[in-house]
Amino acid sequence: AQKITQTQPGMFVQEKEAVTLDCTYDTSDPSYGLFWYKQPSSGEMIFLIYQGSYDQQNATEGRYSLNFQKARKSANLVISASQLGDSAMYFCAMREGPGNQFYFGTGTSLTVIP
Amino acid sequence: GAVVSQHPSRVICKSGTSVKIECRSLDFQATTMFWYRQFPKQSLMLMATSNEGSKATYEQGVEKDKFLINHASLTLSTLTVTSAHPEDSSFYICSASARGGRETQYFGPGTRLLVL
Repeated sequence: AQKITQTQPGMFVQEKEAVTLDCTYDTSDPSYGLFWYKQPSSGEMIFLIYQGSYDQQNATEGRYSLNFQKARKSANLVISASQLGDSAMYFCAMREGPGNQFYFGTGTSLTVIP
Repeated sequence: GAVVSQHPSRVICKSGTSVKIECRSLDFQATTMFWYRQFPKQSLMLMATSNEGSKATYEQGVEKDKFLINHASLTLSTLTVTSAHPEDSSFYICSASARGGRETQYFGPGTRLLVL
């Protein structure tokens, strides 16, 4: 089974609008971490936001927030007030296990429309 | 966030030659470094995990003798693609995790390898 599932290969959003990128995960480890990374066309992976499995509150970082629904095993990324520079690939990832391995989803390509 | 560098950013080589890629954590000590490979429009594929001072752990299907990984210090890991062939052409990205292991992975800018 896939550890991380991103069901939206491509998304479009109007500039200044909010957008939600979906991510579901699969683990039996009670302790894990969830991450979102942005990858622009340059290729660099940019860390956006982190949510620990024991965190009670949803993580927020500026315009980014993570909608963590533990029972549903989902960790959706919400980008508010989209900007043209937000156009990029977005990857959801999970860290789990004694080896702290990372598992990445297949990514969502976000395009912000002016 | 933490800074991780990779060198070179791009390399073109002839088939049969070996290529070394360096990954450095510039402002923190990385006990664990990871090497990924990414094909166009695809996700990152973990190749191996390296811990400072010990042998790397390779993912299933990744040839150890083909992709040599050395993690000589807390700030440097190298990936050597030996006897490179055109099918090794890809985008290679390293990441580093701070001491403790359960930290965010910070990624280098990646290296585009083209084997002719």
